[in-house]
Amino acid sequence: QKEVEQNSGPLSVPEGAIASLNCTYSDRGSQSFFWYRQYSGKSPELIMSIYSNGDKEDGRFTAQLNKASQYVSLLIRDSQPSDSATYLCAVDPRGYNKLIFGAGTRLAVHP
Amino acid sequence: IAGITQAPTSQILAAGRRMTLRCTQDMRHNAMYWYRQDLGLGLRLIHYSNTAGTTGKGEVPDGYSVSRANTDDFPLTLASAVPSQTSVYFCASSETSGGPNRFATQYFGPGTRLTVL
Repeated sequence: QKEVEQNSGPLSVPEGAIASLNCTYSDRGSQSFFWYRQYSGKSPELIMSIYSNGDKEDGRFTAQLNKASQYVSLLIRDSQPSDSATYLCAVDPRGYNKLIFGAGTRLAVHP
Repeated sequence: IAGITQAPTSQILAAGRRMTLRCTQDMRHNAMYWYRQDLGLGLRLIHYSNTAGTTGKGEVPDGYSVSRANTDDFPLTLASAVPSQTSVYFCASSETSGGPNRFATQYFGPGTRLTVL
């Protein structure tokens, strides 16, 4: 079992819809969780971080964390074609900034 | 402020050659990291440095070495390149190396695409 698992996609959603991206992790003691967006040929950029159970909202993005079930998700409301990218889930298992990344989910938002 | 710069942008290298990938940050971040990204495997940590003068091994350190002589620079060296080291290499930095309840966002450089033939 991979330490951080994501569905590779592609996840295809129409413009204006909600895109839901999911990630599961194996280390129950993991403390911090991150979502990075990566456009093709570019470097990852941080879009959300979450450390406590529940929801965290930032504009059109909402991160959801459930430590008991060991999953973290990212919701993108009012999806735009510019949201089309690969979304990487990253987990810090021991709180010392040594991130474990999932392979990423490719999101395609079509007009 | 440039953030993180990496050089070269891309490189084709013959197997057995020595290669150093350069990484420089101007944010005065204490911690720096090297990742490789391969299709279907995501980003994997090669080496890291929590502060100048210290380095540590990540998930896939074999065949790579690093040094951290000062805060700004963190070069990655392939002593004798092999085709399995063909990848995209990203350097990253964070203000601190983290710790219990001290989370530090990692910022990434633009990457170096390396092909070993």
